[in-house]
Amino acid sequence: AQRVTQPEKLLSVFKGAPVELKCNYSYSGSPELFWYVQYSRQRLQLLLRHISRESIKGFTADLNKGETSFHLKKPFAQEEDSAMYYCALKGASGSRLTFGEGTQLTVNP
Amino acid sequence: DTGVSQDPRHKITKRGQNVTFRCDPISEHNRLYWYRQTLGQGPEFLTYFQNEAQLEKSRLLSDRFSAERPKGSFSTLEIQRTEQGDSAMYLCASSRDLVTGELFFGEGSRLTVL
Repeated sequence: AQRVTQPEKLLSVFKGAPVELKCNYSYSGSPELFWYVQYSRQRLQLLLRHISRESIKGFTADLNKGETSFHLKKPFAQEEDSAMYYCALKGASGSRLTFGEGTQLTVNP
Repeated sequence: DTGVSQDPRHKITKRGQNVTFRCDPISEHNRLYWYRQTLGQGPEFLTYFQNEAQLEKSRLLSDRFSAERPKGSFSTLEIQRTEQGDSAMYLCASSRDLVTGELFFGEGSRLTVL
């Protein structure tokens, strides 16, 4: 079974502060991990995937297989980063994405 | 707008009625997914199609739920004999065969069962 846990439902930071959104997963094989984001009144969209090892909008995420984590980080949060963030896992054998419950990030001015 | 479109955007129905949602994926996308999302939860997988073949169904998809994708283009999700617990946002997403993990979502169809 595959499971994704996002321990924080709400996260609030001030503009310019570092931000880390936590994601832990449970999967017996080699997973692919993703972060999806939903801005206010917009549809859910891909932010980044671990295999790309890229920085998108200043966000990065490193897959830590030892800790089974895929935390999302940004050194200096911006107000436009305020959104709902979902961590998602895709197992090697299937096509489905399993999503976490999401973290609502609010960046205050 | 050439993204994934869903219809209707909102549906209010009485318990026991049947409802049908339609999803039009991005035209060159072979894979189509249905997810359900309730308040405070992440999207939960329901089913997916590759072309017209329904390849995987979640145990969440009870026998009151049926999905089709005739001719591998648009898809419909029907819920028969709706119950109040069916109230949720029903999300459709599509992707290309060779692109793993990037799902393109529609805006969703919100169902309220009274």
